[in-house]
Amino acid sequence: DAGITQSPRYKITETGRQVTLMCHQTWSHSYMFWYRQDLGHGLRLIYYSAAADITDKGEVPDGYVVSRSKTENFPLTLESATRSQTSVYFCASRERPRGSQETQYFGPGTRLLVL
Amino acid sequence: TQLLEQSPQFLSIQEGENLTVYCNSSSVFSSLQWYRQEPGEGPVLLVTVVTGGEVKKLKRLTFQFGDARKDSSLHITAAQPGDTGLYLCAGVDRGSTLGRLYFGRGTQLTVWP
Repeated sequence: DAGITQSPRYKITETGRQVTLMCHQTWSHSYMFWYRQDLGHGLRLIYYSAAADITDKGEVPDGYVVSRSKTENFPLTLESATRSQTSVYFCASRERPRGSQETQYFGPGTRLLVL
Repeated sequence: TQLLEQSPQFLSIQEGENLTVYCNSSSVFSSLQWYRQEPGEGPVLLVTVVTGGEVKKLKRLTFQFGDARKDSSLHITAAQPGDTGLYLCAGVDRGSTLGRLYFGRGTQLTVWP
């Protein structure tokens, strides 16, 4: 199906384990983003990518790694999960900015619990 | 530091009532977006306001961008249970080519039948 998908939708892991969250979009959007959503903080940008092989840090990048070898995929890896990384993670995509009306499309989210 | 402050944080009202949600900042944004998020889903864009003083209407929802492009409001007339959700405002930063979004913490609206 067309759109933006995330997997898994739910994940429970233990402190110190490596976890990879997957994001796939079918629109060939240039930009992709990873956010985390926590109560009291709203949505915070972790990493973003302007194109394949181009990534950059957002507001809260520590403890996370991203890659973008293909335009449609943007996986997020927690190298050694910590309890503070328990959160809901959203992937988003958007076309390259051409004006002021660009829509950012969000995936359904991955709910991660780190024990 | 939260660039955008939303108020109220929670709002619980009866069907048929009117309400206003506020989004304030000390920063100027090139545009401002409003999203609605339902439980278990990602945010969905409702509207983008671009010009200072701009007013946009989406059925019973009215969005306004402040003259100085620092604040915005969302007014819902005759709220319905289907309006229940988390409303997020996001400022668009044109200072870089990214056009990064800065989100407020959100207003959780519950409309009771």
